[in-house]
Amino acid sequence: ETGVTQSPTHLIKTRGQQVTLRCSSQSGHNTVSWYQQALGQGPQFIFQYYREEENGRGNFPPRFSGLQFPNYSSELNVNALELDDSALYLCATRPGITGELFFGEGSRLTVL
Amino acid sequence: GIQVEQSPPDLILQEGANSTLRCNFSDSVNNLQWFHQNPWGQLINLFYIPSGTKQNGRLSATTVATERYSLLYISSSQTTDSGVYFCAGSTGTYKYIFGTGTRLKVLA
Repeated sequence: ETGVTQSPTHLIKTRGQQVTLRCSSQSGHNTVSWYQQALGQGPQFIFQYYREEENGRGNFPPRFSGLQFPNYSSELNVNALELDDSALYLCATRPGITGELFFGEGSRLTVL
Repeated sequence: GIQVEQSPPDLILQEGANSTLRCNFSDSVNNLQWFHQNPWGQLINLFYIPSGTKQNGRLSATTVATERYSLLYISSSQTTDSGVYFCAGSTGTYKYIFGTGTRLKVLA
């Protein structure tokens, strides 16, 4: 148990739709980052939020966007879904801007 | 950015055997973790180990930061150890770079 909760656990969308994934942070963790894991690969960094500001971004297009709320929970939004967006989306939190990551159980997105 | 190489990519063991997984980094990292990904996809923290040696039951890990590698030792393996093992590191304050993983299968 990491204390990091993600929802929904599974969802199916069609190409062109939009999706919002949610992450509740472990108490005291003010940094949240999102990762995308395609089948058979390691997780790839999407972006990180620290105290409600985006402070790092990976090689993902602008249709991937996020928010962090005052209680440090977070959302990942993906617009104009493409088939290649099908993946496991992982949220990770930590108690500061650096240090050990703690992952949630992930949201598995299928785009048809 | 840094490159992370894990070896071996696949490993099959008989229950009770020992194994060593290796992770090489192309540059120095100031954060380094080992994870076990279970069949449902969750990444379970094994060790946060930017340097030195740690042990937790049958598992131990060693990171030699000056030579940019880390080792994960699994002793007396059990079928529940099966899954994918990832190492990941970061050089700064945000993104972790993951290796491609070692897929371990332990046979009863």
